[in-house]
This record gives sequence, C-alpha cells and structure tokens, in this order.
Amino acid sequence: DTAVSQTPKYLVTQMGNDKSIKCEQNLGHDTMYWYKQDSKKFLKIMFSYNNKELIINETVPNRFSPKSPDKAHLNLHINSLELGDSAVYFCASSQGALKNIQYFGAGTRLSVL
Amino acid sequence: SQQGEEDPQALSIQEGENATMNCSYKTSINNLQWYRQNSGRGLVHLILIRSNEREKHSGRLRVTLDTSKKSSSLLITASRAADTASYFCATGSGNTPLVFGKGTRLSVIA
Repeated sequence: DTAVSQTPKYLVTQMGNDKSIKCEQNLGHDTMYWYKQDSKKFLKIMFSYNNKELIINETVPNRFSPKSPDKAHLNLHINSLELGDSAVYFCASSQGALKNIQYFGAGTRLSVL
Repeated sequence: SQQGEEDPQALSIQEGENATMNCSYKTSINNLQWYRQNSGRGLVHLILIRSNEREKHSGRLRVTLDTSKKSSSLLITASRAADTASYFCATGSGNTPLVFGKGTRLSVIA
C-alpha cells in the first residue's frame, strides 16, 4: 500500500482554468503538507495542516486553497492557473512536531499552457 | 528563508567509488535530515542526525554533523548505479517546518 498517495500524477491544463490535486495518507499521521518544487529542484513549503487545522500558510497566492476534510486527506485547489504555477507539487505527512521525518507522495507534475 | 545549502550542486562518479555531499546551514537546529529523490519520484527519508550527535551510520551511509561549523556531510560508500538521484538536506528546529536545500545531483556511472 502506498503510504502517501496523490492524484493525478500529471496535470496539463490551459491558463485560467481551475484544477485540484488530492492527497491521502494511510500512516495515521496528524500533520500534512503541500510543497512546490520548481524547475531547479528547489522545494518550498506552501501549507501545513495539523489535525485538519491550518498551521502554516507561506506566502502563496490566494488562488491556492488547501482543504483538509479529515487528518488523512489534504487537497489543493488552484484557481485561475497561471504559467508560473507550472511545477511539481508534493504532498507529505509527518507525526508530531514539524521538525520530524516527513513522508512524501510521488508528486503531481502540473503544466500550464 | 532557505536554510540548507548543498555542495556540490552536481557530482559524477564511477560505480564503486565513494560520494560525499555537504550541507551548510545558518541558524541553530534540533536535527538535520537527508533525503533522496529519484527522478520523477517523491523524496525519501534516509537518515536523521540530532544536534547532540556527531556521526551516524545506516548501511552504506555515513552522516556527520558539526554544529560549530553549521555543516553536515553525507558519505555514500561503494556507490552503485542505483544511488543515482538528487540528495537533499533538511534542517529541523523549534516548532518550524523542515527547510530543504536545493540538493546535490549524484550520477553514478556503471
């Protein structure tokens, strides 16, 4: 069983569209994250939820809206997609403190045309 | 702000050789972690070293931590083609999230 799974793996869409990425973890962790990895491989945290509560909200355009229906799921909805949103988005989870080990999904490669 | 900086950015070695990657950081930490990312995949945790530890081993991996120099190194001994990947350090401190460096791209040539 995949510990952290995210769908879809690839997403190709036009500028201005709205899209969602889903993430689920079956590790029983209480904290989940969204990261953006750019073309130079730099991994930047976007959001973090702990037990469904938003605890980290980095400087991210408000076109990005995370939603956590329960502590095993963290989805990311993106409105009005822009060219600069093209990147690989990773979901991750951890247990306890934010400095603990994180477990990553396989990533969603978003291409905005 | 970015915390970890890996060095070198890219490293190419022959199978069987050892690979050493370095990570420098700026502020005090509770732990430092190393992750591997294979092409097209997510990051996988390799090893965690706490701020009161100086060296840690896991299989062919050896990690050192020098808090006075704010630096860490990851040594992969007897490298294999399957070790080809990007390696990231991440620093953990206080109640803040991990901060990842930009990674070292390792190519192991058979």
